[in-house]
Amino acid sequence: AQKITQTQPGMFVQEKEAVTLDCTYDTSDPSYGLFWYKQPSSGEMIFLIYQGSYDQQNATEGRYSLNFQKARKSANLVISASQLGDSAMYFCAMRGNAGGTSYGKLTFGQGTILTVHP
Amino acid sequence: SQTIHQWPATLVQPVGSPLSLECTVEGTSNPNLYWYRQAAGRGLQLLFYSVGIGQISSEVPQNLSASRPQDRQFILSSKKLLLSDSGFYLCAFGEWGSYNEQFFGPGTRLTVL
Repeated sequence: AQKITQTQPGMFVQEKEAVTLDCTYDTSDPSYGLFWYKQPSSGEMIFLIYQGSYDQQNATEGRYSLNFQKARKSANLVISASQLGDSAMYFCAMRGNAGGTSYGKLTFGQGTILTVHP
Repeated sequence: SQTIHQWPATLVQPVGSPLSLECTVEGTSNPNLYWYRQAAGRGLQLLFYSVGIGQISSEVPQNLSASRPQDRQFILSSKKLLLSDSGFYLCAFGEWGSYNEQFFGPGTRLTVL
């Protein structure tokens, strides 16, 4: 079984500053993937970034980077230069071994609400 | 480019009434398809997934069912809705053979009264 834990129910950050959203995971699969999604108040789930368990480098997508520490089983999202539009709920998710029976099924954490102050 | 559609966007139904939510995907063939439900202020829970036409796997026992009558069409149904079926329903797809991306539709907000 897989489990995702997001321990920060809410986070606040000043505009233009960086913020880190925490995510820890638990799995027995040898191969897995980690995802971050943004959910604005409209409800849509916006894919932000992906990290494979065997990727040597941390994933980056524009202002988003994933701080992947495999030994610690953590996959924190770092948002640099926060903008007012970054205010939203953020979810960490994982999929299991693609070669097995996971078929890309995602297990989600409970989410962190990020509020960016001007 | 790939797009995913869901309808209706909002639905209010009485307890005991039937349900049909539809999801369609464009721009890709033989996608993996998923139905998730999100309770208020919570994370998403996978309900069903499908890796091909007519192939449906259920993740949790519940009052709902799913069908995939066409390659890019995924339907969520219920014969009799319960109050506990209220929530935000999201359809998602991933490209066949690729498990590194999963894209979501706009969702349906269902309220059962």
